[in-house]
Order: sequence, then structure tokens, then C-alpha cells
Amino acid sequence: KAGVTQTPRYLIKTRGQQVTLSCSPISGHRSVSWYQQTPGQGLQFLFEYFSETQRNKGNFPGRFSGRQFSNSRSEMNVSTLELGDSALYLCASSFGPSRGPAYEQYFGPGTRLTVT
Amino acid sequence: AQTVTQSQPEMSVQEAETVTLSCTYDTSESDYYLFWYKQPPSRQMILVIRQEAYKQQNATENRFSVNFQKAAKSFSLKISDSQLGDAAMYFCAYRRYGGSQGNLIFGKGTKLSVKP
Repeated sequence: KAGVTQTPRYLIKTRGQQVTLSCSPISGHRSVSWYQQTPGQGLQFLFEYFSETQRNKGNFPGRFSGRQFSNSRSEMNVSTLELGDSALYLCASSFGPSRGPAYEQYFGPGTRLTVT
Repeated sequence: AQTVTQSQPEMSVQEAETVTLSCTYDTSESDYYLFWYKQPPSRQMILVIRQEAYKQQNATENRFSVNFQKAAKSFSLKISDSQLGDAAMYFCAYRRYGGSQGNLIFGKGTKLSVKP
């Protein structure tokens, strides 16, 4: 089956602009998580969505937001871009929350955002 | 707060040899999951192996095995019979038991090179 897809794959924006990134999870997966990857900070959790509801949020400013649609596709938005927002943004999907076994997260190829 | 530390930024191994990547973590919880993820230069992150903290037996997946020392909070990855395709960034990650599937806490990664 098709994997996690992210669009666009590459993006160049200017400081002050806003950007929207998209993630389509694997069919049947209802949970989508977003991570930011930078050389300095490594991989950091942004937020998680399940059934159109944000379930968990990392320690990022309010400029970072997201949403999930009824078909489980998710978007994340960054407003008022700063140079430090340049990063690889990874999306991961899984079946959903569990009180027990951890469902494997499947990662997309990422969107490379460059802010100039 | 939980933290994950990978003390080896880079490692190198000869093809067909064995290499061990180190990972330590800090948590006050007794139940949790630990993972090793591989991120090849193409950037698609894939799960290599996972370990449930309540299981004493070390996880094994083909040429990949872990040495899980719960008391020492250590979780190392051993790659046997290294292949050129094993060259990648390897990330150790922690997730608490139950609840959201997101919120993986990653180490900074170890870049593994495989020499022919």
C-alpha cells in the first residue's frame, strides 16, 4: 500500500511569510504526528492529531499550528516565518492511540523548508 | 522530562563486521517503549527495532539486536554482518507507554558509515 506522502518536498520562503505543509497518511491510519528536524536541535515533536483533534503538542510557539481533516490528511502551518524555522518537517502516521502496545509510526519523506 | 542521549555522533564499520551504537535515556516511568530508527540519505525514516520496557528479553530483528539494560537505562543497537545499505543516521527514541502514539523523544543521532 502507499506510504506516507508529504507535499511539497521542497520549499523556499522569505522571512515574515507563512507556509502550509501537507501530509497524507497511510490508508487506514488515523493518527498523524509532525516533527521538526534541524542539525542543531535534532528531531523535535511538534504535535499529534487523531480524529481531527490535537491530542498532544510539543514546545513550539503559537506560530506553529496544524489541523486534521475527516479523511485523516493533515496540514501544518507556520506563520511569520523566521530563519530558524528552516528545517526538515517530517510527518508520521499510525493507527491511533493505544492504551497498550505502541503502533508503529510510519514516516514520510519530509518537506525541506528553507527560509531566507 | 525524559531525555535520550546518543554519545557517538559518528561511527564507522567495515563491511561484514559488527558495530554497536550506544543510547542512554532518562525517565522516571517504569513502562515505556524504546526504538531505533534508521534514516538513510534519502531521508525516509524507518523503524529498525523496538523494545518494550516490561520485556526482559532483548529484541532481535535479523541482523539487528539490542542490549536493553533497564536499571542502567541503556539501550544499545548491535548490527551484525554490516552491509553497505546500513549506512545511515540512526536515532534512538523513547515513548511512554499507552496514550498518544506521538511524542517520540529522539536522541541526536549517530551517523554510521560502512566501508567496503
